[in-house]
Amino acid sequence: QITLNESGPAMVKPTETLTLTCTFSGFSLSTDGVGVGWIRQPPGKALECLALIYWDDDKSYSPSLKSRLTIARDTSKNQVVLTMTNMDPVDTGRYYCGRKPTGVGTFDIWGQGTMVTVSS
Amino acid sequence: SYELTQTPSVSVAPGQTAKITCGGDSLERRAVHWYHQRAGQVPVLVVFNNNNRPSGIPERFSGSNSGNTATLTISRVEAGDEADYYCQVWDSDSDHPLFGAGTKVTVL
Repeated sequence: QITLNESGPAMVKPTETLTLTCTFSGFSLSTDGVGVGWIRQPPGKALECLALIYWDDDKSYSPSLKSRLTIARDTSKNQVVLTMTNMDPVDTGRYYCGRKPTGVGTFDIWGQGTMVTVSS
Repeated sequence: SYELTQTPSVSVAPGQTAKITCGGDSLERRAVHWYHQRAGQVPVLVVFNNNNRPSGIPERFSGSNSGNTATLTISRVEAGDEADYYCQVWDSDSDHPLFGAGTKVTVL
């Protein structure tokens, strides 16, 4: 069974750095073509893919947020970590991680997400 | 940058057919994927690569992609199909996934 679980702070202050961890099981991030991505959703708004890391450690970032994002993996722990700097109230939302399977440019399995509120 | 356009809302009576569209320049050249997201729940992939269903997704869900428009069709709509529906492609310019703004499907 494939599962992904997001963890991190529920609240951060403006200008702080957010660090989120995605812990997954049931698949390997070393398998050709596999990736893990972070997708966020502000309340009542659409999905937005923030960053994606691939089996070969290649990375992809949202063009509009690239300067604020870093994605990294710890293959031994089955974890993917996202850091987002200079948080702002508009960054409030639910943050999901999802698996990109081999050969398909989509997210087939998602975690439950973690809600992050940016407020002073 | 590439953009996807979705109608904000669609209403459909139970038992009828709902068609949800996703527009983009030469969209037929790209693989389109569809998710539904019921209120307060996690997005679920319902169609991938234009017209393929993941295991566990009913045959009532089907997809097509031609010209500048991809369509998700839900046949014999049920109350449980009420959700937000998002299309998604891979933006080759940025090499990054791109989602549409979503369509809210209301079952009357």
